Amino acid sequence: GNSVTQMEGPVTLSEEAFLTINCTYTATGYPSLFWYVQYPGEGLQLLLKATKADDKGSNKGFEATYRKETTSFHLEKGSVQVSDSAVYFCALGGSEKLVFGKGTKLTVNP
Amino acid sequence: DAGVIQSPRHEVTEMGQEVTLRCKPISGHDYLFWYRQTMMRGLELLIYFNNNVPIDDSGMPEDRFSAKMPNASFSTLKIQPSEPRDSAVYFCASSFFSGRYNEQFFGPGTRLTVL
Repeated sequence: GNSVTQMEGPVTLSEEAFLTINCTYTATGYPSLFWYVQYPGEGLQLLLKATKADDKGSNKGFEATYRKETTSFHLEKGSVQVSDSAVYFCALGGSEKLVFGKGTKLTVNP
Repeated sequence: DAGVIQSPRHEVTEMGQEVTLRCKPISGHDYLFWYRQTMMRGLELLIYFNNNVPIDDSGMPEDRFSAKMPNASFSTLKIQPSEPRDSAVYFCASSFFSGRYNEQFFGPGTRLTVL
């Protein structure tokens, strides 16, 4: 069945550091891919998405490219801020429900 | 639209009591999902509905849990009787499924504490 493997955290970075959170997937067909973010005390919210191979999703300085050849959708940001501290979830679509990764907690220190 | 609305935001109850969590999905969405999030188990899908009909309740932990969706704008998740191990944050999410694309919109969650 469909599955998502996400880099385990926690990840701790200094402000302005480069961020990569790895996400790989197993799926049949051509799923949509998502990154959700959960700030402390809040629900999950969509950060970015990609619906087909080679699509690049981007938002708030974050980017992820849908790589079908490597079945990956890694999240990157060139310069993180303290306000980016949150839990990040990779998710796989393509059916009526989403399959979520376990989440990666990111802490950014000033 | 106001987004997915959940109530209450916080609930503290004693073991053995009945707990009812409520959710109003985004208007026009045809899917509704209930999730539970804990530190130990992460984010778990409990049950989901399509056009008010339960499709998959395999994630419901036991018979103490039940969910209903009497109409397109309202759903409840009930725990009776509640136990301390039910303490968690419960999220409701809704979506409109167009065949491949199915972004889910989450509510702010209900933090349940069972003493």
